[in-house]
Amino acid sequence: ETGVTQTPRHLVMGMTNKKSLKCEQHLGHNAMYWYKQSAKKPLELMFVYNFKEQTENNSVPSRFSPECPNSSHLFLHLHTLQPEDSALYLCASSQVTRAGGFHGQYFGPGTRLTVT
Amino acid sequence: LAKTTQPVSMDSYEGQEVNITCSHNNIATNDYITWYQQFPSQGPRFIIQGYKTKVTNEVASLFIPADRKSSTLSLPRVSLSDTAVYYCLVGDMDDYKLSFGAGTTVTVRA
Repeated sequence: ETGVTQTPRHLVMGMTNKKSLKCEQHLGHNAMYWYKQSAKKPLELMFVYNFKEQTENNSVPSRFSPECPNSSHLFLHLHTLQPEDSALYLCASSQVTRAGGFHGQYFGPGTRLTVT
Repeated sequence: LAKTTQPVSMDSYEGQEVNITCSHNNIATNDYITWYQQFPSQGPRFIIQGYKTKVTNEVASLFIPADRKSSTLSLPRVSLSDTAVYYCLVGDMDDYKLSFGAGTTVTVRA
C-alpha cells in the first residue's frame, strides 16, 4: 500500500466513548500532522510531529490526545468528545530536512467523525 | 507565517486555461510556495511547489516573479474533474506547520 492511509474512514461515537484514529504513511517521511476540517471552514492544524517529537499543539482541547510511536504511524485518541468535534480529520506527512527545505505535505483520505 | 490572499472563487469552461494568483507580500527569504488541490470530503493533494521563476510538472505550472510577492498557478486545458478548492501556502522548514486559508473554489463548466 502506498501513500498515507487512515482508518477508520467513518466513525460515529457517543460523547462518552473512547476511540482512536490511526494514520500510517508509506512514504518514508519524518514529519506527520493532524488536521481538522469542519464544514465550510479551512483546515485547522492540530498537532505536528517532527522526527517523532511533538513540536506543535495548536491549543487543542485535551480530549484529543496524539501519539506518534514511530515515524510511520500516528494516532489520535479521542475521549469525551462534543458534537462540535464532528468533522473530517486529516492526517498528513512530509519530509523535513535539517538542511532546510519543505517538500510538501501528503494527505490521507481522512476520517469522517460524527459525535452524537 | 506569511499571509496569503487568493480569490474566493473562479469559474471556467472545459479546455480553457485557469490561472489563480496568490498574493504573499511578506514572504520571507527561506519561504517556499506550495499549492494544493482539494475535492469535497478528501484530503488536499499536493500539486506543485516552487521557490522562484517557473516550475512545471505534469499537471500544472507555477509562475513566481522576481520579487516573489505573488505567485500564479496555471492549470492548462481544465476539465470538469478539475473542479475543486485550490490552496496557496507559503512557508519554510521552520514553518512546516503551514496554515491553510479559505482557498479558491474553481468551478469548471461544460
